[in-house]
Amino acid sequence: QVQLVQSGAEVKKPGASVMVSCKTSGNSFSNYYVHWVRQAPGQGLEWMGVLFPSGIETNFAQDFQGRVTLTRDTSTSTVYMEISSLRSEDTAVYYCATEVPNTGWFDPWGQGTLVTVSS
Amino acid sequence: QSALTQPASVSGSPGQSITISCTGTSSDVGGYNSVSWYQQHPSKAPKVMIYDVSKRPSGVSNRFSGSKSGNTASLTISGLQAEDEADYYCCSYGGSSNYVFGTGTKVTIL
Repeated sequence: QVQLVQSGAEVKKPGASVMVSCKTSGNSFSNYYVHWVRQAPGQGLEWMGVLFPSGIETNFAQDFQGRVTLTRDTSTSTVYMEISSLRSEDTAVYYCATEVPNTGWFDPWGQGTLVTVSS
Repeated sequence: QSALTQPASVSGSPGQSITISCTGTSSDVGGYNSVSWYQQHPSKAPKVMIYDVSKRPSGVSNRFSGSKSGNTASLTISGLQAEDEADYYCCSYGGSSNYVFGTGTKVTIL
């Protein structure tokens, strides 16, 4: 059973960058799509983007294009999500989740990482 | 893409059935049989309950069922139980490796 473990909470100032990690125990990320979803306080889920099994190809929702980077370290079975130019509206819990290729559903999910952007 | 539209809240008594709707467009819900539903309890990660419109992952109760007609998908929970009280989100493939979530529905057990 694949499990995803994310890095701990972060507090950042506006304009800074943050990197959140998502580590798998079990099958390699090379066999999965890795999606990122965020949830602002008291709000709904928002799909951000996906890293393809190649570890190179990505796709992002329009709101995140150019500001979010997804990378993978195969040696540590870890995927990284970096957001630049943080603003207060980026305060949210960020989740990673895997998708077996071309199945269209996300399972399992990481436990979530709270990123707080505050001056 | 805009978020799929769900009712903000739905409630029911134990043992009753409720249905949550999820309305999109022909570019997402209506265009693909790739609609999934997620249950989220407070401060927990979402859990998939339905995929491919109407399929249940292993371990999910058969009290949960899904369907779709045109641009609207639906999740039905029958025999409501206390542990079903949670937020529910639909999610649809939107083409070109894009996905979109619904606005979310809070289910309350009366």
